[in-house]
Amino acid sequence: DAKTTQPPSMDCAEGRAANLPCNHSTISGNEYVYWYRQIHSQGPQYIIHGLKNNETNEMASLIITEDRKSSTLILPHATLRDTAVYYCIVRVAGANSKLTFGKGITLSVRP
Amino acid sequence: GAGVSQTPSNKVTEKGKYVELRCDPISGHTALYWYRQSLGQGPEFLIYFQGTGAADDSGLPNDRFFAVRPEGSVSTLKIQRTERGDSAVYLCASSSGGTSYNEQFFGPGTRLTVL
Repeated sequence: DAKTTQPPSMDCAEGRAANLPCNHSTISGNEYVYWYRQIHSQGPQYIIHGLKNNETNEMASLIITEDRKSSTLILPHATLRDTAVYYCIVRVAGANSKLTFGKGITLSVRP
Repeated sequence: GAGVSQTPSNKVTEKGKYVELRCDPISGHTALYWYRQSLGQGPEFLIYFQGTGAADDSGLPNDRFFAVRPEGSVSTLKIQRTERGDSAVYLCASSSGGTSYNEQFFGPGTRLTVL
């Protein structure tokens, strides 16, 4: 699986949009971008995934650049409960393969 | 429905002892994964089961670690002759294997402390 690079931390104000960047310059054509998050003392939780089109669900939006070398996870209205470590993972879809986690980005939402 | 459960939630043991960690996946999920997470790090893959068989055990650090899933449901991770470096949170996840993206659902983890 391709490697991803994320800044170690960022913060945003409650109610504002949180834009979490991820670089994956070596991504292959059959690899998807996945985002998981881990709230303190809990297991990771799936957020969203995408191949090349932008995706949106009830939790977040995923914007993937046209060359697919980077992506941004957007939490449109961050709340205090969104404070967590967010992991960007590249993985071949359709395979029951492992997830390769990096250190992720720690998002702190301030009141 | 019930999520992935893991027992015990905390385990304290002494160096050299044997421990067993249990994972109950979501009912009907055919794929089961074990990860471990050290402080300040992301989860690290250990082993993956498809049904009863280990499809990928490339993450097991050495032969002190072993996992089973005899009936294709509950899994047990076994660690022999524990060392202080084995202290970590051990996470279990399961997936249905039936979707194109195979979302993994994680349990809360077992925190293992080796004194």
